[in-house]
Amino acid sequence: QVTLKESGPALVKPTQTLTLTCTFSGFSLSTSGMRVSWIRQPPGKALEWLARIDWDDDKFYSTSLKTRLTISKDTSKNQVVLTMTNMDPVDTATYYCARTGTTVDYWGQGTLVTVSS
Amino acid sequence: QSALTQPPSASGSPGQSVTISCTGTSSDVGAYNYVSWYQQHPDKAPKLMIYEVSKRPSGVPDRFSGSKSGNTASLTVSGLQAEDEADYYCSSYAGSNSLVFGGGTKVTVL
Repeated sequence: QVTLKESGPALVKPTQTLTLTCTFSGFSLSTSGMRVSWIRQPPGKALEWLARIDWDDDKFYSTSLKTRLTISKDTSKNQVVLTMTNMDPVDTATYYCARTGTTVDYWGQGTLVTVSS
Repeated sequence: QSALTQPPSASGSPGQSVTISCTGTSSDVGAYNYVSWYQQHPDKAPKLMIYEVSKRPSGVPDRFSGSKSGNTASLTVSGLQAEDEADYYCSSYAGSNSLVFGGGTKVTVL
């Protein structure tokens, strides 16, 4: 059974760096073809793809956010970490991690991050 | 990576069909058969309903079907049921290892 769960701070201040951890089970990121993405959704708004890391450690980022994002993995812990620098109130959203292949097939429950002073 | 265009709302009575469109460009929807559809109930994570344009994951009722013509993909929900009331999002592979989502469509069962 594939599961993913996001963890991290619920509240960050403007200009701070956000660090989110995705802990997953039911698959391994050392297996060829496996990938994990981060996707966010501001309250009442649409989904936005942020970044993806592949089994071979290739990393891909949203063009509009690439200067602020870093994605990494710890295969031994079955974890993927996303950092986003210089947080702003417009970054307030639910952040999801999800297993990704030709589609996003399994999603975490999401974690709401509010950016406010 | 501009968002795909979906109508903000759609509705139908129980038992009827509703079709949602998802319009992209020749660089995303039109270029690849990697269009997916997700159902999202309030305060829940999205759930995959259709992938690779028209394939259904195990457990998704066959009332849900997908298609594509040119730069526009569509999701049809036949035999509408109360539990189908939700937000629906499309996504497409957009090249260069990126993914783009639609703006979402709220489906109301009248």
